[in-house]
Amino acid sequence: AAGVIQSPRHLIKEKRETATLKCYPIPRHDTVYWYQQGPGQDPQFLISFYEKMQSDKGSIPDRFSAQQFSDYHSELNMSSLELGDSALYFCASSPSRAANEKLFFGSGTQLSVL
Amino acid sequence: AQKITQTQPGMFVQEKEAVTLDCTYDTSDQSYGLFWYKQPSSGEMIFLIYQGSYDEQNATEGRYSLNFQKARKSANLVISASQLGDSAMYFCAMREAPAEGYNKLIFGAGTRLAVHP
Repeated sequence: AAGVIQSPRHLIKEKRETATLKCYPIPRHDTVYWYQQGPGQDPQFLISFYEKMQSDKGSIPDRFSAQQFSDYHSELNMSSLELGDSALYFCASSPSRAANEKLFFGSGTQLSVL
Repeated sequence: AQKITQTQPGMFVQEKEAVTLDCTYDTSDQSYGLFWYKQPSSGEMIFLIYQGSYDEQNATEGRYSLNFQKARKSANLVISASQLGDSAMYFCAMREAPAEGYNKLIFGAGTRLAVHP
């Protein structure tokens, strides 16, 4: 079965650079979520999309932006990178917004800012 | 206020024994879902088990079972017959169903489980 695909798997950037993370949700899933997980931390919600529209925002810095395209893939754009942005970034998708639907997670993108 | 509380930062268990990982939650919604995810050292987030707020029976998935006590707002994960491959971080998570808005998954701080031979 198809899973959530994230690219790249690993990314190394310097301070003040920009980064773009990509996510391809499971086909026919209508919601996409982005999470940030710092070392030894629980995943923190950043932003979500429902049917290509931004639906909810969490603790996402103003330096970050995201969008969902017509083919439902999503991109997380990160500018003016800081050392503290080093983390594992997960994308997840869900067939619906129902409380009984689990989120399917991608393998994550490990971002290292040097 | 913390929505999901996992009070055990780390747990040890002997191989083949059972272990219980604690989780309490806080919500004013009547409809919600409780999930457990496993995160091995490789980093991926693996779904283990789900319990709905209206489910009267405790959920079970193979060696995993969820001890759901709604009045106490607890959803403890029980792993029976532990295996070395169970060593990982375990996250309890909740998804609410508000009348409006979109329901993200909220995670607890996690419990790191180490299975010893």
